[in-house]
Amino acid sequence: GQNIDQPTEMTATEGAIVQINCTYQTSGFNGLFWYQQHAGEAPTFLSYNVLDGLEEKGRFSSFLSRSKGYSYLLLKELQMKDSASYLCAADGWEGATNKLIFGTGTLLAVQP
Amino acid sequence: DTGVSQDPRHKITKRGQNVTFRCDPISEHNRLYWYRQTLGQGPEFLTYFQNEAQLEKSRLLSDRFSAERPKGSFSTLEIQRTEQGDSAMYLCASSLSGTGGEKLFFGSGTQLSVL
Repeated sequence: GQNIDQPTEMTATEGAIVQINCTYQTSGFNGLFWYQQHAGEAPTFLSYNVLDGLEEKGRFSSFLSRSKGYSYLLLKELQMKDSASYLCAADGWEGATNKLIFGTGTLLAVQP
Repeated sequence: DTGVSQDPRHKITKRGQNVTFRCDPISEHNRLYWYRQTLGQGPEFLTYFQNEAQLEKSRLLSDRFSAERPKGSFSTLEIQRTEQGDSAMYLCASSLSGTGGEKLFFGSGTQLSVL
């Protein structure tokens, strides 16, 4: 079956660094997406990892280990506006169907 | 092009009524997805289209749900005889290609409340 696990909630301090972990089990895995979703808004794309390793994009970095079924999203120099839900999504296949399977999301609260 | 648009943003209905939502994807995108999201959960896949063909429906989608994409452009999602358990945010997303790895662009969703 398909399964995505990530922590439900996290709290961090403005200016600090936070790491949000995600483990996944899917069939026909293509890659791993991270989306950001502010309350009442649409999810917006943050990153997509296909190969093992760390990809850095400004204050946000994302890591993937395909052999371990593990990814993390690293947020540096946290700002209050980073308070949001962070969704881990595995891009996989079920038979001939390609789809994104989302985790429940990690609600990050950034405190002053 | 301003992205994926959904209409209405909010819908309040009484149990037993029918509702229909509309999604206009990014114009050149050939794939269109419907997801459902409840509070504190991630989006759950409902169905998707490649052009006008509906290629898969989730087991979450009961017979009361039907989706169409008649000309391969906009899509509608209809829920018949709504139940309180249908209350959720219904998200539409679109993407280009379909070989995997393409990112989804989401609309702002339609928030359905069934009283």
